[in-house]
Amino acid sequence: IAGITQAPTSQILAAGRRMTLRCTQDMRHNAMYWYRQDLGLGLRLIHYSNTAGTTGKGEVPDGYSVSRANTDDFPLTLASAVPSQTSVYFCASSDSASGAYNEQFFGPGTRLTVL
Amino acid sequence: GQNIDQPTEMTATEGAIVQINCTYQTSGFNGLFWYQQHAGEAPTFLSYNVLDGLEEKGRFSSFLSRSKGYSYLLLKELQMKDSASYLCAVSDSNYQLIWGAGTKLIIKP
Repeated sequence: IAGITQAPTSQILAAGRRMTLRCTQDMRHNAMYWYRQDLGLGLRLIHYSNTAGTTGKGEVPDGYSVSRANTDDFPLTLASAVPSQTSVYFCASSDSASGAYNEQFFGPGTRLTVL
Repeated sequence: GQNIDQPTEMTATEGAIVQINCTYQTSGFNGLFWYQQHAGEAPTFLSYNVLDGLEEKGRFSSFLSRSKGYSYLLLKELQMKDSASYLCAVSDSNYQLIWGAGTKLIIKP
């Protein structure tokens, strides 16, 4: 593994189903993030984790949950998918959650369609 | 509220120079990032400014004026591969990145 991986690459999901998007990084970064990207809108933060064992809510957390059991993995779960959750989801990581310079590195994204 | 503004789309000619502007209003400021995103791909880091002035990196330069809440990304000697979206993001008082919607740059031969 090099950098950040996400799975699946794409998924079509029926409304009401439960779905977990996976994210793994091998850079030993402390902080990890989940964003959604919709046409015409900037990246919007869903949830974040400053370090293993802690998580926080971003700008658009409703309908999503995360866990951070270890440094490498940061799965995002949609408990009961709705069509408005159709989006491209990016996982990102940074060496530190604080400090002036916190460049974020992004995974390749998961394209999710909820019908 | 927090707000990042940048033009939706710009068109430029191969070999020319283009300047992409970004204005911001955020709660606190801990630096401004520019990222490049090709269609269907992940954003990748281009530059970071935390002090006023110009940062040059090859064909790309980024400028910051904190007093004006303003930055620009300057791309010189444009190549077809520079066709992409350019995202401006500000690190706020909590070190969270606030993202603009991105500027789609179209390069014509």
